Amino acid sequence: AQKVTQAQTEISVVEKEDVTLDCVYETRDTTYYLFWYKQPPSGELVFLIRRNSFDEQNEISGRYSWNFQKSTSSFNFTITASQVVDSAVYFCALSGTNYGGATNKLIFGTGTLLAVQP
Amino acid sequence: DTGVSQDPRHKITKRGQNVTFRCDPISEHNRLYWYRQTLGQGPEFLTYFQNEAQLEKSRLLSDRFSAERPKGSFSTLEIQRTEQGDSAMYLCASSLSLDAYEQYFGPGTRLTVT
Repeated sequence: AQKVTQAQTEISVVEKEDVTLDCVYETRDTTYYLFWYKQPPSGELVFLIRRNSFDEQNEISGRYSWNFQKSTSSFNFTITASQVVDSAVYFCALSGTNYGGATNKLIFGTGTLLAVQP
Repeated sequence: DTGVSQDPRHKITKRGQNVTFRCDPISEHNRLYWYRQTLGQGPEFLTYFQNEAQLEKSRLLSDRFSAERPKGSFSTLEIQRTEQGDSAMYLCASSLSLDAYEQYFGPGTRLTVT
């Protein structure tokens, strides 16, 4: 069975602090994809990043960085120099492959609520 | 606006009534997904379509739920004889099926069953 665990329910930081959101996943697929989505107070899920299981390179995009480690089945997300606008619920998600290699359903974790205080 | 759109954004209904939601995906996306999200939880998969074919349904999708995508463009999700437990945010997402895997979500329809 596929499962995503986000053990941190809520995190509160002060602006400019760095913060890491943890994600641990379980899957029996050999090919799979991992995702992070942001859900701001407005409610619409915003895609942040996709990673496939064969690419363990860490990725950096501006203040965001992701650390994928297959050995520990983790895909952690770090925000450097956090800002108030980063306040949101962040979801980690997992998908297997089917029907020509594209993803089918996403399995989401329960999310981490990040509150960045000014 | 070329994103995923959903209508209505909010729906309040009495228990036992039928409701129907509509989703318009990004125009070139041939995959369309429905999810349900309750307070404090991540979205849960309900069903998905590739063009007009419904390829997978979750066991969460009871007999009271039905989804269609008749021409491979917009989709509708109908809930018959609504129950209070159906109160949730219903999210629609779309994606390309080749060379791109991320799903893009609409703003959701919030259903409240009284």
